[in-house]
Amino acid sequence: QKEVEQNSGPLSVPEGAIASLNCTYSDRGSQSFFWYRQYSGKSPELIMSIYSNGDKEDGRFTAQLNKASQYVSLLIRDSQPSDSATYLCAATSGTYKYIFGTGTRLKVLA
Amino acid sequence: NAGVTQTPKFQVLKTGQSMTLQCAQDMNHNSMYWYRQDPGMGLRLIYYSASEGTTDKGEVPNGYNVSRLNKREFSLRLESAAPSQTSVYFCASSERPGQETQYFGPGTRLLVL
Repeated sequence: QKEVEQNSGPLSVPEGAIASLNCTYSDRGSQSFFWYRQYSGKSPELIMSIYSNGDKEDGRFTAQLNKASQYVSLLIRDSQPSDSATYLCAATSGTYKYIFGTGTRLKVLA
Repeated sequence: NAGVTQTPKFQVLKTGQSMTLQCAQDMNHNSMYWYRQDPGMGLRLIYYSASEGTTDKGEVPNGYNVSRLNKREFSLRLESAAPSQTSVYFCASSERPGQETQYFGPGTRLLVL
């Protein structure tokens, strides 16, 4: 059974701090990785995608991928109360499928 | 450009009743997916359609059937609803299967009594 694992949290950070969210995956064949943000009662929305080892930055968000360690992370700089949500990590598995983690709940304290 | 739409938004069923959840996308995507989301379980794939005319089982297909009606529409049918099917159901689409970003619909909240 292919898996994506995340700490469920909650991860609490003060406003303006860096939030660090982590994810590990079991399928060494996974090629594409995604971070989604999900507000309570809403659908997941894409934050970042990453396909190759290293860092990828987009505004306040940086995704990091280490395929050798099977590890993906998301850094949120200058965290805002509006960043409070559940963050889902996903990895592709096989030709057609995506495997999702259970999500990390982030709370940014004003 | 509405993206991915789902109907209905909410539904209450009695055990044994049937219903169909509808999903449509206007992004000309080839692949479509049905997930269920339960507390502590994350998103679990029920069925997917890699391209028009094909459907395949995901992780939790029992009790469900699907139809890829055309490139835009992908429906999920519960033939005889059970309380274990109480969940939030999300439809998603992507341009190509298994590689590209998935875009999600707003979800259907289903309660089976």
